[in-house]
Amino acid sequence: GENVEQHPSTLSVQEGDSAVIKCTYSDSASNYFPWYKQELGKRPQLIIDIRSNVGEKKDQRIAVTLNKTAKHFSLHITETQPEDSAVYFCAASKNTGNQFYFGTGTSLTVIP
Amino acid sequence: KAGVTQTPRYLIKTRGQQVTLSCSPISGHRSVSWYQQTPGQGLQFLFEYFSETQRNKGNFPGRFSGRQFSNSRSEMNVSTLELGDSALYLCASSLNGQGTGELFFGEGSRLTVL
Repeated sequence: GENVEQHPSTLSVQEGDSAVIKCTYSDSASNYFPWYKQELGKRPQLIIDIRSNVGEKKDQRIAVTLNKTAKHFSLHITETQPEDSAVYFCAASKNTGNQFYFGTGTSLTVIP
Repeated sequence: KAGVTQTPRYLIKTRGQQVTLSCSPISGHRSVSWYQQTPGQGLQFLFEYFSETQRNKGNFPGRFSGRQFSNSRSEMNVSTLELGDSALYLCASSLNGQGTGELFFGEGSRLTVL
């Protein structure tokens, strides 16, 4: 089955700096890669996603890149703000229903 | 539109007991999936139901089971509870049943096994 690895597990940045979280996957059939943000005590929420036919996608301060050949994808957050502090999860799935394989999460702390 | 609702929110059980958790998806969503969240392990897929049929199942023992009703509400059951079953159980519903759409999560049911 699919195996998604996520690094780093914890990340601290100064407010205004950029943060990068990286994930790798093992199943070349995976074709959809979402990122979820989970604030403390709250439910995970989708922040951005990318499909395998796209190499990069951007939404304001958040961007995701995908390298299908190397089987890795990354989340980039620019101009970080304290409200970006949360746990971020990457995930991968393929067209076999809603079976998502999640990474183990990155706890991001933005220091004011 | 109401979000995904899970009940109960918190529960404490002892080893050997069984537990049933309930999930009401967003209206119109036919796909319901369940995840176990533990510190350091992220979210691990348990199973997914679509139109009352289990479509996918993760690598969990047979003590973990589920079902979906005709109104898309879903339940999961864990029998013969073990200490390691202590976790936050998240339910997610989706309009897109093809694995390429947004999952809408509930707030979870936090199970503690003593």
